[in-house]
Amino acid sequence: DIQMTQSPPSLSASLGDKVTITCQASQNINKYIAWYQQKPGKAPRLLIRYTSTLESGTPSRFSGSGSGRDYSFSISNVESEDIASYYCLQYVNLPYTFGAGTKLELK
Amino acid sequence: QVQLQQSGAELVKPGSSVKISCKASGYTFTSYDMHWIKQQPGNGLEWIGWIYPGNGNTKYNQKFNGKATLTADKSSSTAYMQLSSLTSEDSAVYFCAMGILGYWGQGVMVTVSS
Repeated sequence: DIQMTQSPPSLSASLGDKVTITCQASQNINKYIAWYQQKPGKAPRLLIRYTSTLESGTPSRFSGSGSGRDYSFSISNVESEDIASYYCLQYVNLPYTFGAGTKLELK
Repeated sequence: QVQLQQSGAELVKPGSSVKISCKASGYTFTSYDMHWIKQQPGNGLEWIGWIYPGNGNTKYNQKFNGKATLTADKSSSTAYMQLSSLTSEDSAVYFCAMGILGYWGQGVMVTVSS
């Protein structure tokens, strides 16, 4: 199984900050990584697929990049509605595997 | 639009089984994978398995082999997951999600308690 190492586990940001989350896969995942946002009591929401493709409705302040084993997800100009947990997912191979998550909080 | 409507919360006894459902609408049910994901309170997301309703093929996370059984009813566009031999470790929210997990059900809270 492919392991996804996500960091940091938590992040504290001020409104307007840029934040970055990283995920490292245990093997090359050929850009088959997606990023999800989850708010308490809600299902996760797909924000980005295939490393950098924004889903319809995802604000442009969200972005993704990377290749091989190393990937990153950024939010520029953090807004209050971005306070949530974020997860990466590799979907190149079954079983799909998630990163452990990053909780974004307001400073 | 795509909708995945899951069944209601369950309170079940240790050692028993539970079957939860996920009714799909707004797309061709038999053409897309349906995945199941577990989330224990305060924890992250764990992929349980996948079923392709078109032919019933399944794939499980090895951790859930023998714990989860996935099925699908094409006539009602509904996917099911049965969890067996329940323990407190199975208390969690269970989500169904379709495709590249682009669409999710609202989740079902399963509580295992005597």
